[in-house]
Amino acid sequence: AQKITQTQPGMFVQEKEAVTLDCTYDTSDPSYGLFWYKQPSSGEMIFLIYQGSYDQQNATEGRYSLNFQKARKSANLVISASQLGDSAMYFCAMRPDSGGYQKVTFGTGTKLQVIP
Amino acid sequence: DAGITQSPRYKITETGRQVTLMCHQTWSHSYMFWYRQDLGHGLRLIYYSAAADITDKGEVPDGYVVSRSKTENFPLTLESATRSQTSVYFCASSSPGQGKEQPQHFGDGTRLSIL
Repeated sequence: AQKITQTQPGMFVQEKEAVTLDCTYDTSDPSYGLFWYKQPSSGEMIFLIYQGSYDQQNATEGRYSLNFQKARKSANLVISASQLGDSAMYFCAMRPDSGGYQKVTFGTGTKLQVIP
Repeated sequence: DAGITQSPRYKITETGRQVTLMCHQTWSHSYMFWYRQDLGHGLRLIYYSAAADITDKGEVPDGYVVSRSKTENFPLTLESATRSQTSVYFCASSSPGQGKEQPQHFGDGTRLSIL
């Protein structure tokens, strides 16, 4: 069975500062993908970034980067230069490369608030 | 515009009523999903479909029915709504395969309240 743990229910960050959102996972699958989604107060789920378990480099997408530590089973999201529009819920998710999409597992989310 | 559309965005109904949530995508993605989002649980998979006429249960299927007669549509029906089904429902779609090219794309959600 898979499990995603996001231990920070809520976080504050000052505008223009960097922030790290934690995500740890547990799986017995040898190959898997990790995703981060953003959910603003308007409710939609927005895909942010993906990391494959065999990718040699940490993923980056603009101000988002993923600090992937495979041995520690962690996939933390780093947001650099926070903006007010980054205030949202953030969800970490994992999908094994075998078995299909029905095995996507989501964490419970972290609510990030950016302070002016 | 291409995308995934859910309707209605908001729905209030009474216990025992049947209600259907609609989902339509224009990407021709083969995979479609229904999730519910509840506080403290994140997103939980209700049903998914790998292609037209192929559906299967997810983590929390009880009380729900799905169908997929066309690739682009994936309606979710609550046959006899209960208060425990009050939730926000998300439809998602994806193309098959692995990697960052195949994230799930989500609709805007349907907020369903059952009185």
